[in-house]
Amino acid sequence: GQQVMQIPQYQHVQEGEDFTTYCNSSTTLSNIQWYKQRPGGHPVFLIQLVKSGEVKKQKRLTFQFGEAKKNSSLHITATQTTDVGTYFCAAPSGAGSYQLTFGKGTKLSVIP
Amino acid sequence: DGGITQSPKYLFRKEGQNVTLSCEQNLNHDAMYWYRQDPGQGLRLIYYSQIVNDFQKGDIAEGYSVSREKKESFPLTVTSAQKNPTAFYLCASSLLRDREVLTFGAGSRLTVL
Repeated sequence: GQQVMQIPQYQHVQEGEDFTTYCNSSTTLSNIQWYKQRPGGHPVFLIQLVKSGEVKKQKRLTFQFGEAKKNSSLHITATQTTDVGTYFCAAPSGAGSYQLTFGKGTKLSVIP
Repeated sequence: DGGITQSPKYLFRKEGQNVTLSCEQNLNHDAMYWYRQDPGQGLRLIYYSQIVNDFQKGDIAEGYSVSREKKESFPLTVTSAQKNPTAFYLCASSLLRDREVLTFGAGSRLTVL
């Protein structure tokens, strides 16, 4: 079935540094979603990307969907301790599927 | 406030015992899902349901069972046939027209002793 590879698995940054996580698929995706899970918490929906080359911003977070719709990235500018958590990408397992395939996540640690 | 309530939050059971995890939502969502999360892993889909009295297997349905008798409720039973049941279980729901946008419950952590 559909697989989405997410890298890196872990990232430790100094507070104020930037952070990027990448999600890659071998097949074209109809859309891609990003979720954040705080330590001890549950995943929370951040954003959905649908269009080729789409870029969306949420304050210090920038989300991109590749031109070929096979990859996506999440970039955080000037990280803060509140950014700590695991970031997951997720994409439909197939056309019209109710199944979302999640990447394994990137765990972000921010050193104050 | 609308949301998803999972219970219990923590559960300890002996091997060979069946366990039922509760999931209730008041978001008026049609679709509901059960995911399993293991350390360092993404979320893996166990079962999902689009409508009352209907549900489909996900990627790792073996050893689990579900029911959907009411729109608001989607309980998950972890049976003794599940070989490695210790995990964090997450229930989620969505609108049918927006099925990629999931709202998750707080999760149930099951430990089998």
